[in-house]
Amino acid sequence: DTAVSQTPKYLVTQMGNDKSIKCEQNLGHDTMYWYKQDSKKFLKIMFSYNNKELIINETVPNRFSPKSPDKAHLNLHINSLELGDSAVYFCASSPAEMKGGEQYFGPGTRLTVT
Amino acid sequence: LAKTTQPISMDSYEGQEVNITCSHNNIATNDYITWYQQFPSQGPRFIIQGYKTKVTNEVASLFIPADRKSSTLSLPRVSLSDTAVYYCLVGDLPGYSSASKIIFGSGTRLSIRP
Repeated sequence: DTAVSQTPKYLVTQMGNDKSIKCEQNLGHDTMYWYKQDSKKFLKIMFSYNNKELIINETVPNRFSPKSPDKAHLNLHINSLELGDSAVYFCASSPAEMKGGEQYFGPGTRLTVT
Repeated sequence: LAKTTQPISMDSYEGQEVNITCSHNNIATNDYITWYQQFPSQGPRFIIQGYKTKVTNEVASLFIPADRKSSTLSLPRVSLSDTAVYYCLVGDLPGYSSASKIIFGSGTRLSIRP
């Protein structure tokens, strides 16, 4: 069974479109995250969502909005896509009670904006 | 914020021990040190985590000096399958505090040769 899954794996779209990426975890974790990995392989956190409390990275444009219908899902919606949004987006989860940094990552969604 | 610095790349041979050092001069009292491994087209995978001194698991060892301003990931007897990018992460989870405190380093690309 896949612990953290994302759909789609690849997403190609045009500038100005709105798209969503879905994430699901079956680990029973309370906390979920979205990361962006750019072409230089820098991995930057965008959001963390803990028991319905959203922690936002203030550097993320408000065109990005996470939506969590329940504890096992954290979707990422992106409005008015721009060329600079092209990257690989990773979803991750961790147990709420675990300190430090043990997170479980999904396989990633490669977004290409043309 | 604790910034991390790692070597961009390292090369080694099968059967050798590999040590990758990460500098984090501004590490905070509550920060943990975590290392991840990432293969191409996959999400990062947790390797090991520590707070101080030495931690060992079935995969690696993590050495942290008393001042905690650096850490060294040690991979014993590497094989070809250990070729990957290794990230050092300094931060405190879960996301009760600012998500921007979770910072991945730029990663070390480790290449293992036969």
